[in-house]
Amino acid sequence: AQSVSQHNHHVILSEAASLELGCNYSYGGTVNLFWYVQYPGQHLQLLLKYFSGDPLVKGIKGFEAEFIKSKFSFNLRKPSVQWSDTAEYFCAVNRTNNNAGNMLTFGGGTRLMVKP
Amino acid sequence: EAQVTQNPRYLITVTGKKLTVTCSQNMNHEYMSWYRQDPGLGLRQIYYSMNVEVTDKGDVPEGYKVSRKEKRNFPLILESPSPNQTSLYFCASAAGTGFYEQYFGPGTRLTVT
Repeated sequence: AQSVSQHNHHVILSEAASLELGCNYSYGGTVNLFWYVQYPGQHLQLLLKYFSGDPLVKGIKGFEAEFIKSKFSFNLRKPSVQWSDTAEYFCAVNRTNNNAGNMLTFGGGTRLMVKP
Repeated sequence: EAQVTQNPRYLITVTGKKLTVTCSQNMNHEYMSWYRQDPGLGLRQIYYSMNVEVTDKGDVPEGYKVSRKEKRNFPLILESPSPNQTSLYFCASAAGTGFYEQYFGPGTRLTVT
């Protein structure tokens, strides 16, 4: 089945540690890729997005992600996390369905806890 | 301020009692969508709309209805809610066909007893 997989469900890091969250998808064809963040009690906010061009994209708050087409992956990275990065992170893939509409499919999410 | 609003934010109801969750956006977006968020499952798309009077099923449409009579509004209707519809619901909107960034509302936490 077509899907978006986030392999790490829970991650606990200390401040200043480096972060990498994995995301793989199984759709062929043209896709747009996103990482969203959900801080406790808040709605989803866009961290970064990839549509085309440079496969290394930079987002807000020092986050970046690399699109590797051959691996169907779009991993999120941050060199040095802060306590304020504690949140749930969602990878999402936007694809065109047979009716020419566009559907956004999310991974299951990764809960990140950063210890001060 | 550009935003997506949802009402109510919290709702507790009983099985079988029809309810509507409203969603409104002020960005003149063509595309609107509903998602439900459940632990470990991420967000799953319920229905989406490409424009007024154009709606289509997402991945989990069973038990839900939508309508798009005006561009800014996209209500979610549960004709006969059941406990398995207890969830956190998000509305979103996007420009054009929805292939680019979607903007999310604050969420509606629904409990069906």
